[in-house]
Amino acid sequence: QVTLRESGPALVGPTQTLTLTCSFSGFSLTTSGMYVTWVRQPPGKALEWLALIDWDDNKYYSTSLKTRLAVSKDTSKNQVVLTMTNMDPVDTGTYYCTRIPGRFLEWEGGFHYSGMDVWGQGTTVTVSS
Amino acid sequence: AIHLTQSPSSLSPSVGDRVTITCRASEGISTVLAWYQQMPGKPPKLLISDASNLETGVPSRFSGSGSGTEFTLTISGLQPEDFATYYCQQFRSFPLTFGGGTKVEIK
Repeated sequence: QVTLRESGPALVGPTQTLTLTCSFSGFSLTTSGMYVTWVRQPPGKALEWLALIDWDDNKYYSTSLKTRLAVSKDTSKNQVVLTMTNMDPVDTGTYYCTRIPGRFLEWEGGFHYSGMDVWGQGTTVTVSS
Repeated sequence: AIHLTQSPSSLSPSVGDRVTITCRASEGISTVLAWYQQMPGKPPKLLISDASNLETGVPSRFSGSGSGTEFTLTISGLQPEDFATYYCQQFRSFPLTFGGGTKVEIK
């Protein structure tokens, strides 16, 4: 059974750095084609993609937030860590981690990605002094 | 970045109605589009991948279609448990992007 669980502080102050951990089981981030990604959702608003790390330690970030984000993995612990610097009240919301498994397609000569198939329950972060 | 525009942003159908939600991409994305359903206070759930592939366990009243820049999610015979917010999302290129969401509310 694949599960992901986010953990981190519920409250952070403005200008502080947020560190969130995604602990997962039922799959490995050493598996070729595997992605783990972070998505957030401000209260009452739409989903926003933040960052992604792949099995080969490649990292991708939201264009608008890339100067503030860093993602890393610890494959021995089955964890992915997201840090976001210079937190602001507009960063308040629920932060989710999710996985995206890739399928290798011979005719494409690479991995095909179809969907974020398993999500954590999310962790709520409030930015306030 | 590829921008996804969903329409309508909300709708209020009745149980049994046929519902269609549209997602338009700012550039062609082939069929690398997913649809998610989100209930209040819950994480999103993957409904459809590759524009039209129904995920295991998702009721057959849900269907997806489209390619290139225009996609639709259809619910044929809306059920009470379908009242939720629906999002499209593209995998064509980084940064990954979501549509703004469509809230399906009880009439």
